[in-house]
Amino acid sequence: KQEVTQIPAALSVPEGENLVLNCSFTDSAIYNLQWFRQDPGKGLTSLLLIQSSQREQTSGRLNASLDKSSGRSTLYIAASQPGDSATYLCAVPGNTPLVFGKGTRLSVIA
Amino acid sequence: SQTIHQWPATLVQPVGSPLSLECTVEGTSNPNLYWYRQAAGRGLQLLFYSVGIGQISSEVPQNLSASRPQDRQFILSSKKLLLSDSGFYLCAYSLLGIRNQPQHFGDGTRLSIL
Repeated sequence: KQEVTQIPAALSVPEGENLVLNCSFTDSAIYNLQWFRQDPGKGLTSLLLIQSSQREQTSGRLNASLDKSSGRSTLYIAASQPGDSATYLCAVPGNTPLVFGKGTRLSVIA
Repeated sequence: SQTIHQWPATLVQPVGSPLSLECTVEGTSNPNLYWYRQAAGRGLQLLFYSVGIGQISSEVPQNLSASRPQDRQFILSSKKLLLSDSGFYLCAYSLLGIRNQPQHFGDGTRLSIL
């Protein structure tokens, strides 16, 4: 059974810092891995999807990497801004179409 | 481009009352559709998914049911709500293959049971 873990559960950083969010999964036989952002009281916004054949994907200040063999992914946010404050979730296909981690709640302090 | 709509945005219902939440997708045909629940302190839980009209897969035994009466319409229902049904309900869609395409989410429905 696929399980997804995200560490840390919460993170607070000053504006301008570069930061890394971690995601690990137990079954490395995945098709892809997806990162989402969720603002309070809102739905999820898809940020990046990395196919199993890829090692990383970039979108603006975001860079996601995937290491299937070790069951890990990282989301790198460069030059963080207060607008980046949100909960970040990763998800992989498993027994169900997507298995989600519980997320990392990020606060960027101005 | 595709858009997904969920309504209502918030709902307050008494215990024992029925429920109907609706989700529609525009701009595509034959999407895969999903209902999730997000409870406080817990992760996102998949409730139902559908790969076509009338085809519903249930992931968690519960007090809820889902239906897909039209290609781009997904409905979440209950005959009698329980206190434990409170939570944030999210509808999502994906295109093509169910396991290799990104999922896109609606804005959610906040359901409070009194």
